[in-house]
Amino acid sequence: SQQGEEDPQALSIQEGENATMNCSYKTSINNLQWYRQNSGRGLVHLILIRSNEREKHSGRLRVTLDTSKKSSSLLITASRAADTASYFCATDGKYGNKLVFGAGTILRVKS
Amino acid sequence: GAVVSQHPSWVICKSGTSVKIECRSLDFQATTMFWYRQFPKQSLMLMATSNEGSKATYEQGVEKDKFLINHASLTLSTLTVTSAHPEDSSFYICSAPPGVDLGNTGELFFGEGSRLTVL
Repeated sequence: SQQGEEDPQALSIQEGENATMNCSYKTSINNLQWYRQNSGRGLVHLILIRSNEREKHSGRLRVTLDTSKKSSSLLITASRAADTASYFCATDGKYGNKLVFGAGTILRVKS
Repeated sequence: GAVVSQHPSWVICKSGTSVKIECRSLDFQATTMFWYRQFPKQSLMLMATSNEGSKATYEQGVEKDKFLINHASLTLSTLTVTSAHPEDSSFYICSAPPGVDLGNTGELFFGEGSRLTVL
């Protein structure tokens, strides 16, 4: 069953603005990951943050993890039209490599 | 990064027929592959874990006789939707962890997905 919930469900911003997406989960995890999916395509791994990490950066991406609140956020800075996609968080926990995905956030960046 | 190839990318079939979807790891060995199903504007739902050389492990509520999984080699897993019906129409996506030889980081590499439409 899905254990991750994300908000907002949809986000529309102007190019250049920052986009923040949140994810909550229910059980203990080893790591939390964020993936991106362009419409009708497979998923692409963006970033992984381990349960003992609080913040991680990769290019224009910044991920935070609060294990006490069982939540994570993904920040995309200086967004571009090409960032338009669906973004999913995924957790492993006791499942190891078997990831459980959140509901996803549909991001639209308008140029 | 590691590449997972999925074929076909889309298929249309008549109700009652069977459809096979292939998932290949192109540049690494995958002892485990995962099959997900995704309905429009929804998230991915794990259907089953495909294990090389042994039976697949199905998630609760997934009919094993309906969705046959065969992991014949370290680079190939197949999902066969048997006696497909319109309600089986969906986007099916496979994925694989990179494995020890690529430094098992916990991330998954995904195929491009297969869109099945059953008429």
